[in-house]
Amino acid sequence: GNSVTQMEGPVTLSEEAFLTINCTYTATGYPSLFWYVQYPGEGLQLLLKATKADDKGSNKGFEATYRKETTSFHLEKGSVQVSDSAVYFCALNDQTGANNLFFGTGTRLTVIP
Amino acid sequence: DTEVTQTPKHLVMGMTNKKSLKCEQHMGHRAMYWYKQKAKKPPELMFVYSYEKLSINESVPSRFSPECPNSSLLNLHLHALQPEDSALYLCASSQASGRAIYNEQFFGPGTRLTVL
Repeated sequence: GNSVTQMEGPVTLSEEAFLTINCTYTATGYPSLFWYVQYPGEGLQLLLKATKADDKGSNKGFEATYRKETTSFHLEKGSVQVSDSAVYFCALNDQTGANNLFFGTGTRLTVIP
Repeated sequence: DTEVTQTPKHLVMGMTNKKSLKCEQHMGHRAMYWYKQKAKKPPELMFVYSYEKLSINESVPSRFSPECPNSSLLNLHLHALQPEDSALYLCASSQASGRAIYNEQFFGPGTRLTVL
């Protein structure tokens, strides 16, 4: 079956610290992988994506690399800002035709000045 | 236009009320979704419409009734809800499923529903 396991939160970092949020997945076939971000009181926004092994998704200083050998898609940012405080969801699309998204449990990030 | 809009932003209703949530997109997407999100949880899929036809109903109680009147609009009709139905209701859209490499889902801002 399909599932996403995400690093438990909450995570609290000081501004300019390095961020890693771990995400591993189980899937049949060759899924596409996504990171979504949800700011307080808002819906989900796609942060970045990768569609095949070794692809690197990047956006707004965030990066994640699709690692098939370790079934991982860890989110990283070199220097976080207060405005990055949000909940981050890792997700996969199993591409079996139903286009269903399977979400991880979410990781709440708080960045303090 | 890469936006999914949802109205209302907030809704408070009693258990005997009938109300509707609305979702609209103008990206030419032919798949639309309703999700329910409880606090501190990921979104849970409720319904999927593909080419205006209901393709997935994730065993949602009949007090939730979806409707897709055309390719741009998606409604969720609510009747006789329970307090535990209070949640953020998210709409999303994407290209219809098929042989695409991936079909990114675009989410709306959500309707925060409180059932008293």
